[in-house]
Amino acid sequence: RKEVEQDPGPFNVPEGATVAFNCTYSNSASQSFFWYRQDCRKEPKLLMSVYSSGNEDGRFTAQLNRASQYISLLIRDSKLSDSATYLCVVNMNNDMRFGAGTRLTVKP
Amino acid sequence: EPEVTQTPSHQVTQMGQEVILRCVPISNHLYFYWYRQILGQKVEFLVSFYNNEISEKSEIFDDQFSVERPDGSNFTLKIRSTKLEDSAMYFCASRTPGGGNTGELFFGEGSRLTVL
Repeated sequence: RKEVEQDPGPFNVPEGATVAFNCTYSNSASQSFFWYRQDCRKEPKLLMSVYSSGNEDGRFTAQLNRASQYISLLIRDSKLSDSATYLCVVNMNNDMRFGAGTRLTVKP
Repeated sequence: EPEVTQTPSHQVTQMGQEVILRCVPISNHLYFYWYRQILGQKVEFLVSFYNNEISEKSEIFDDQFSVERPDGSNFTLKIRSTKLEDSAMYFCASRTPGGGNTGELFFGEGSRLTVL
């Protein structure tokens, strides 16, 4: 089983749509969780951390289910500028491991 | 805002040549990482470094690779004898030792390596 596994995508959605990405991780001792965003040919940048109780930042909502070893990211009212690859990142004993990423394209 | 800086931004080399990629992590960070990303593929973990030694490395990080923190500020990745399949973007990243949901990874802009 891969350490961090994500929806393969790609997701092509119209502006204003709601889209959800899922991620599972293999190490139950993983300590912290993040969603990163990567634009084409750029470095990954932190989008948001994922807290146990779930957290929201504007149009973005992240959820964590430790029992199922599952993380999700929900984007509401998607914008053209949300087009990017979304990376699930898991901290396993201070080693940050990345999922393969899910590509999102938001179309007018 | 403090940032991770990497040099060179792009290096072209011949197969079999040695390459050194340089990184200056954020000054108060204690964990350092190298990742690589082959064009169109996922971000792959290479190695992590803490307290002046490698803490973990992946199966990609074979004997051709080495890392060093020679002077307390630079963090280098050396590829001893480059192969065609080493062509990729190499990202350096650093973070604080914070636990829980602190300790965000900060990335440099990457060094693109092209092996001919």
